[in-house]
Amino acid sequence: AQTVTQSQPEMSVQEAETVTLSCTYDTSESNYYLFWYKQPPSRQMILVIRQEAYKQQNATENRFSVNFQKAAKSFSLKISDSQLGDTAMYFCAFSRTGNQFYFGTGTSLTVIP
Amino acid sequence: DTEVTQTPKHLVMGMTNKKSLKCEQHMGHRAMYWYKQKAKKPPELMFVYSYEKLSINESVPSRFSPECPNSSLLNLHLHALQPEDSALYLCASSQAATGSGEQYFGPGTRLTVT
Repeated sequence: AQTVTQSQPEMSVQEAETVTLSCTYDTSESNYYLFWYKQPPSRQMILVIRQEAYKQQNATENRFSVNFQKAAKSFSLKISDSQLGDTAMYFCAFSRTGNQFYFGTGTSLTVIP
Repeated sequence: DTEVTQTPKHLVMGMTNKKSLKCEQHMGHRAMYWYKQKAKKPPELMFVYSYEKLSINESVPSRFSPECPNSSLLNLHLHALQPEDSALYLCASSQAATGSGEQYFGPGTRLTVT
């Protein structure tokens, strides 16, 4: 079975600073996908960034980037130049071909003005 | 259009009521999902529909009954719920359950069972 672990239940960061959220996973699959989703308070869950396991290059989306270490089964999210709107729950998710998502327990991030 | 819509936004129902939640997407996605989410917790998968057929039922109690009338619509029929069923119910869609693409989530229905 696939498991996804987020070891940081809560984090905070000063506005304009950089923060890294950690995620590890366990799988015996070689082909899979990893995602970071953001869920602001009382708002919709949206996709932040997506990584395909067969791609060695780390995905980036504007201020968001990942550090994907396949051998270590690690998939951390770096948020640069943090903004107040980044305050949210962040969920790491794993998906293998032909099946559903496995979510981590989430990290609650607060950006402090 | 990358939108998944859900109605109603809020629902309060008694334990003897029957109600339905509705989800709609017009992205041409052929996989649709129902999740249950408690506060500060990750979504828990309930059902997966692939090409309008139920492909996964995560041992959900029969008081929850899903229905997929067509490729754009997903319903969740509720009957004789318990107070512990109070939660945010999320609908999501993806290109296909056989793929590995991202899921697009709706805003959810906040359900309170009294």
